[in-house]
Amino acid sequence: GAVVSQHPSRVICKSGTSVKIECRSLDFQATTMFWYRQFPKQSLMLMATSNEGSKATYEQGVEKDKFLINHASLTLSTLTVTSAHPEDSSFYICSASDGGGTDTQYFGPGTRLTVL
Amino acid sequence: TQLLEQSPQFLSIQEGENLTVYCNSSSVFSSLQWYRQEPGEGPVLLVTVVTGGEVKKLKRLTFQFGDARKDSSLHITAAQPGDTGLYLCAGEGGKLIFGQGTELSVKP
Repeated sequence: GAVVSQHPSRVICKSGTSVKIECRSLDFQATTMFWYRQFPKQSLMLMATSNEGSKATYEQGVEKDKFLINHASLTLSTLTVTSAHPEDSSFYICSASDGGGTDTQYFGPGTRLTVL
Repeated sequence: TQLLEQSPQFLSIQEGENLTVYCNSSSVFSSLQWYRQEPGEGPVLLVTVVTGGEVKKLKRLTFQFGDARKDSSLHITAAQPGDTGLYLCAGEGGKLIFGQGTELSVKP
């Protein structure tokens, strides 16, 4: 149980285009979803927290107009990188929490974004 | 701002050796988690420690939570090449705060 999927697993795009990444909880309802960014050989940095049906809360330094997050249902959150540039190339990982007492986050397999 | 200092950042050892990874903070966490991550994949939860002084064992891995719930350690006994990967600690304090990670390489 508690499986989180991400799509696509890899994406290559041209500079200036927008890319959408999906995060789905497959067998549970995710009241909260989190988006992280990870550079090579580095740790995960929280970008934003989203609760179903409400606006996402962004971490300091993360541009909300560049990284659009939508959490329209209890099983789906999307991250759209708008007007992507090479410096946006990174590994994007989502996680989902079912709001249980342990606040356990279940992580997706990640999406490798390469902006040319 | 809550920070988790993880050390060492890189560790290269021979098969059969023991190792310890440390995770330290000046902040108190309600719980602390350890993850292992393979290249190109998401982190996989190994263990969650909640109580100060708690020790949990997972085969050759021993996890300890400090008495004050500010620090934790991961000890691996008789490391094997299959243990190679990125180990991450993360403290729960309203949100997950990740340490910098320890890149472990176990050579046969």
